[in-house]
Amino acid sequence: QVQLQESGPGLVKPSDTLSLTCTVSGGSISPYYWSWIRQSPGKGLEWIGYIYYGGSTNYNPSLKSRVSISVDTSKNQFSLKLNSVTAADTAVYYCARYQQYFQHWGPGTLVTVSS
Amino acid sequence: EIVLTQSPGTLSLFPGERAILSCRASQSVSSSYLAWYQQKPGQPPRLLIYGASSRATDIPDRFSGSGSGTDFTLTISRLEPEDFAVYYCQQYGDSPRTFGQGTKVEIQ
Repeated sequence: QVQLQESGPGLVKPSDTLSLTCTVSGGSISPYYWSWIRQSPGKGLEWIGYIYYGGSTNYNPSLKSRVSISVDTSKNQFSLKLNSVTAADTAVYYCARYQQYFQHWGPGTLVTVSS
Repeated sequence: EIVLTQSPGTLSLFPGERAILSCRASQSVSSSYLAWYQQKPGQPPRLLIYGASSRATDIPDRFSGSGSGTDFTLTISRLEPEDFAVYYCQQYGDSPRTFGQGTKVEIQ
């Protein structure tokens, strides 16, 4: 059974870059797609983007100018970077296996943007 | 982008009753590419239904999905205590992938 675990700082300062990593265990990161989703009280569930194990990506246009997702197959990990964050980026961030829908999710990690 | 509107916002029911949840899309969802999730406090969403009507692995048959085009329904035939939660729909027929705002099913 594949398991996912998010990791990274829980507090980020405004205008800084939010960086999170998702570690996949119980299975290989290939040949699948992997995604980041966030959830905030104000905006609900929001799909951020996905990456194929080979490296191709697709991002939500609402975040495209600030987001980057990368993959490290040797570590069975993929990562999220979101730059120029504001308080509106405060949310629980989830990583998930993407099959157009999302069957396997990490437990989520709360990231707060505050000085 | 496709906007998904779920109704009602909250559904207050007794255990054993039937729950009917609605998800309406702002434009047609191609090939019935619609999924339903259940979320409990402090947990990630759990996939229930994909392809509008196919149950995910290990999902009890009291959960069923139906619909096409712009109107979709999740039915829980007989509510069990563990079914009281928030339910979300999600479309994957168009990019960006989008979610509804959720329906809370609470114990009356």
